[in-house]
Amino acid sequence: AQSVTQLDSHVSVSEGTPVLLRCNYSSSYSPSLFWYVQHPNKGLQLLLKYTSAATLVKGINGFEAEFKKSETSFHLTKPSAHMSDAAEYFCVVTVSYNTDKLIFGTGTRLQVFP
Amino acid sequence: NAGVTQTPKFRVLKTGQSMTLLCAQDMNHEYMYWYRQDPGMGLRLIHYSVGEGTTAKGEVPDGYNVSRLKKQNFLLGLESAAPSQTSVYFCASSYSTSFTRTGTYEQYFGPGTRLTVT
Repeated sequence: AQSVTQLDSHVSVSEGTPVLLRCNYSSSYSPSLFWYVQHPNKGLQLLLKYTSAATLVKGINGFEAEFKKSETSFHLTKPSAHMSDAAEYFCVVTVSYNTDKLIFGTGTRLQVFP
Repeated sequence: NAGVTQTPKFRVLKTGQSMTLLCAQDMNHEYMYWYRQDPGMGLRLIHYSVGEGTTAKGEVPDGYNVSRLKKQNFLLGLESAAPSQTSVYFCASSYSTSFTRTGTYEQYFGPGTRLTVT
């Protein structure tokens, strides 16, 4: 069965330092993978998605993620954190090939300190 | 273009009461979804719809019913609310992935409804 694991429930960084949010997935096929962000009391917004094209995916607000099949990982990175990046981040994988059903990770809360 | 909207934003129910949550989208999406979000558990799919007049069960459908009478609307009903249904409910919509060879389309989410059942 497909699954997704976010390795850290909380990550704290200082403003201006790099961000790394880790995500591993389990899948028996080539999945689609997404990162969504949720700011406090808001809905989810798509940051980026991987759908079997380029393995390095660039998203909004300077975020990017690299699909590594050999490591079954899809980690989210940003070179320099901004205060406005403080939010909850969800790694998401599709249930099966070319399906619209998603499996959400449990989320990583990113704190950014001045 | 409002995207995905949800009504109401907040609601408090007593155990046994019923209510309906309304989701509306103006993007002409075929697919619509209802999720619940609980602390430490991510989002879990309750029910979904692949088109007007069709619905299907998701991961946690018990205690909920849905209807999709119009393409732009997706209703979630609680017939007899229980404290275990205290949660934040999100609606989402997307284009159909059925005919694409380039992977799954992203889902667009509403702002959520915070429901408390006492």
